[in-house]
Amino acid sequence: KQEVTQIPAALSVPEGENLVLNCSFTDSAIYNLQWFRQDPGKGLTSLLLIQSSQREQTSGRLNASLDKSSGRSTLYIAASQPGDSATYLCAPMNRDDKIIFGKGTRLHILP
Amino acid sequence: DTAVSQTPKYLVTQMGNDKSIKCEQNLGHDTMYWYKQDSKKFLKIMFSYNNKELIINETVPNRFSPKSPDKAHLNLHINSLELGDSAVYFCASSQGSTVGKAFFGQGTRLTVV
Repeated sequence: KQEVTQIPAALSVPEGENLVLNCSFTDSAIYNLQWFRQDPGKGLTSLLLIQSSQREQTSGRLNASLDKSSGRSTLYIAASQPGDSATYLCAPMNRDDKIIFGKGTRLHILP
Repeated sequence: DTAVSQTPKYLVTQMGNDKSIKCEQNLGHDTMYWYKQDSKKFLKIMFSYNNKELIINETVPNRFSPKSPDKAHLNLHINSLELGDSAVYFCASSQGSTVGKAFFGQGTRLTVV
């Protein structure tokens, strides 16, 4: 059974800093892994999708890496801004098309 | 056009009632899901359908019954609503193992009073 852990659970950093959010998963037989952002009271916005054959994906100030064999993914946010404040969710997709979420990292960027 | 749309966005109802939440996707995806986000904000998978066939059925009370009239729709019907059913319910779709990127609806906030 896939279990997803995200560390830290919450993070507050001053604006402008670079930061790393960590995700680990127990079943490495995944098809892909997606990072989502959720704003309070809102839906989920897909940020990055990494296929199992890839090691990283980049979009703007975001970079996500995947080490499937060790069951780890990281989301790197460069030059953080107050608008980045949200909850970030890691979600690997298993080979039975099941998408399992971590509990998220609540990020707060201090102006 | 919204890729995955859910209706209603908000639903307030009394205990014991029966209610439905509708979901439609216009992405041509084969797989659709229902997730429940509880008060602790944890997203848990409830059901998954692939081409109208139930694939995943997590430990969910049988008061919850998904119905997929076609592969673009996955509705969630809930009988005899209980206070503990209050949550935000998200519908999602993906092309499954072919591409895998999942798209989520905006959520339905269900409040049982």
